[in-house]
Amino acid sequence: TQLLEQSPQFLSIQEGENLTVYCNSSSVFSSLQWYRQEPGEGPVLLVTVVTGGEVKKLKRLTFQFGDARKDSSLHITAAQPGDTGLYLCAGGPRNTPLVFGKGTRLSVIA
Amino acid sequence: NAGVTQTPKFRILKIGQSMTLQCTQDMNHNYMYWYRQDPGMGLKLIYYSVGAGITDKGEVPNGYNVSRSTTEDFPLRLELAAPSQTSVYFCASSYSTNQETQYFGPGTRLLVL
Repeated sequence: TQLLEQSPQFLSIQEGENLTVYCNSSSVFSSLQWYRQEPGEGPVLLVTVVTGGEVKKLKRLTFQFGDARKDSSLHITAAQPGDTGLYLCAGGPRNTPLVFGKGTRLSVIA
Repeated sequence: NAGVTQTPKFRILKIGQSMTLQCTQDMNHNYMYWYRQDPGMGLKLIYYSVGAGITDKGEVPNGYNVSRSTTEDFPLRLELAAPSQTSVYFCASSYSTNQETQYFGPGTRLLVL
């Protein structure tokens, strides 16, 4: 069974700080997705990365896929309280069910 | 479009009772999924379906059953509820392969006492 390890598990920062969270696997991904989940709601897709070395930007969020397609990172610049939530990575080999990491719970304090 | 809807939002069951969690999507997606989310444990796949009439087990299928008679509906059945099934259950759907965007419902919170 493919495992996805996310770190850190918890992160509490002040508004305006930068942060990076990580997602690592023991296997190669065909693609990797990042979701954000707010309390009482289902996860919502932020981005999908497919190509090794790929970098995608979504406003203040920057997503990077490792060259070997076994790891990914999410960097948030100048975090805001609205960024608070659970960040989940998910991936797996092609045509197999997605495997989700346990998530990084981010709290941004105003 | 309502997207993915789930009912009920919250339910308390006694040990040994059974219930069906309902899930409906109006996006004409082929793939549908059931996950459970325990505190600090991320999402674990229970069952999934690649189309009407086709279902397959995920990582944690024991104690659950599913059916997929239509494209829109994918109910999850719990027989003989146990305290270990206390969790939040999410239904999701996607248009095609498992690597496509998954759209999640709002979840059903289940407490088994």
